[in-house]
This record gives sequence, C-alpha cells and structure tokens, in this order.
Amino acid sequence: DADVTQTPRNRITKTGKRIMLECSQTKGHDRMYWYRQDPGLGLRLIYYSFDVKDINKGEISDGYSVSRQAQAKFSLSLESAIPNQTALYFCATSDPRAAGSYNEQFFGPGTRLTVL
Amino acid sequence: GIQVEQSPPDLILQEGANSTLRCNFSDSVNNLQWFHQNPWGQLINLFYIPSGTKQNGRLSATTVATERYSLLYISSSQTTDSGVYFCASSIQGAQKLVFGQGTRLTINP
Repeated sequence: DADVTQTPRNRITKTGKRIMLECSQTKGHDRMYWYRQDPGLGLRLIYYSFDVKDINKGEISDGYSVSRQAQAKFSLSLESAIPNQTALYFCATSDPRAAGSYNEQFFGPGTRLTVL
Repeated sequence: GIQVEQSPPDLILQEGANSTLRCNFSDSVNNLQWFHQNPWGQLINLFYIPSGTKQNGRLSATTVATERYSLLYISSSQTTDSGVYFCASSIQGAQKLVFGQGTRLTINP
C-alpha cells in the first residue's frame, strides 16, 4: 500500500551490528505494527503501538526494540543483529474508528533483511 | 490463542481455471482478512471479511463465522494471480493478526 512506506527496502548487515528499520504512513492511523515473516511461513507480530505513548510487545519481541517518534512514524531496531533475524519485515497500520472495518490492517512493502 | 489453518498448501492450475482456497479458524473472530503476496514479497489486501460475502472483479470471498471458515474464490485465473494467499484473523480484544501458513497458487500459461 503506497500510504505505508518502509526504508530501507533491502539491507545486508553483519552479526553484531545495530540496525534500524523505519516505517512512515500517511493514512492518519493511530495504530502501527511490526511483523516478521520467515521463509515459507506466515507473519508474526513483534511489537505494536496504539499511539505515541502506548507501545506493546508482540509474540516475538526478544532482540528487538521500537520507537514511535510521531503518529506517522514507527521504527524497529535490532540492537545487535544475529543471523536468525534474517527475514522479511513488515510494518502495518490500522484505524479502530474506521466504520465497517475495525482493525483492518494495511501493510507496507516490506524490508528484506539479511544478517551475515 | 486462535489457530488459523489454510488449505490446500499448494495449488497448480492452468490459466482460465477456477480455484477455491479455504481458511479455518478456531475461535470467534472480529477480523478476517485475505492477502495476496506477490513474487516481490508485497502483501496486497484483498478482502476484509469477518462475515458475509464480498466480490471484487474475478475474486470473491465468503466467511461463515458461525462455522469458523472462510473461502476465497478466484475465477478465470491469470498468470498474474500466482503467489501466496494468506488469510489472517484476530479475536475480540486481541490486536495481532494471526496468519495462516498460506496457499501457494501457481497459474501456468
């Protein structure tokens, strides 16, 4: 969805490096999410945020941290990258006030991260 | 937590054929979405359909919430329909979408 953008789109890094993935949205949604997808699998939730001051862990938050800098921006950091964090990372947004589509989530294009 | 299962895992068809993809979920849901993941990895929203039936061109979807399943229909398949189709759902009060394992659809010319 062009309204949700992620940078970078591809990144190769080395074990132990700190890396930040960024997500921006112009949809005006309050809720933002970070998911990861491993090859051949569905997506799993890392962190989610309902607003700038509300950040919550998902099912696989270990090794990750997040920052909600503004309503429109939500960043995911890997403090010390390891090879098993190699995955496709997606940012998503939702608007709980949307009529007829409560919690429908819209996804960015993804960031392909490789940790060597 | 909620379990989401999709079938079949793989489906290979000729161009022009019709297909039906199934999604079973283990609990009452307040969100059920279908996505198409294209070969470049992008997730395209197809339907938001916690109940009822919707149609969009050659695609349609039906969710029978009382029986805890959803179906995605693709008619007159085209090669551009190839990719992985995911359903994902969440229950009341839960924020995360739980994804199924996907159905890999290959449409041959």
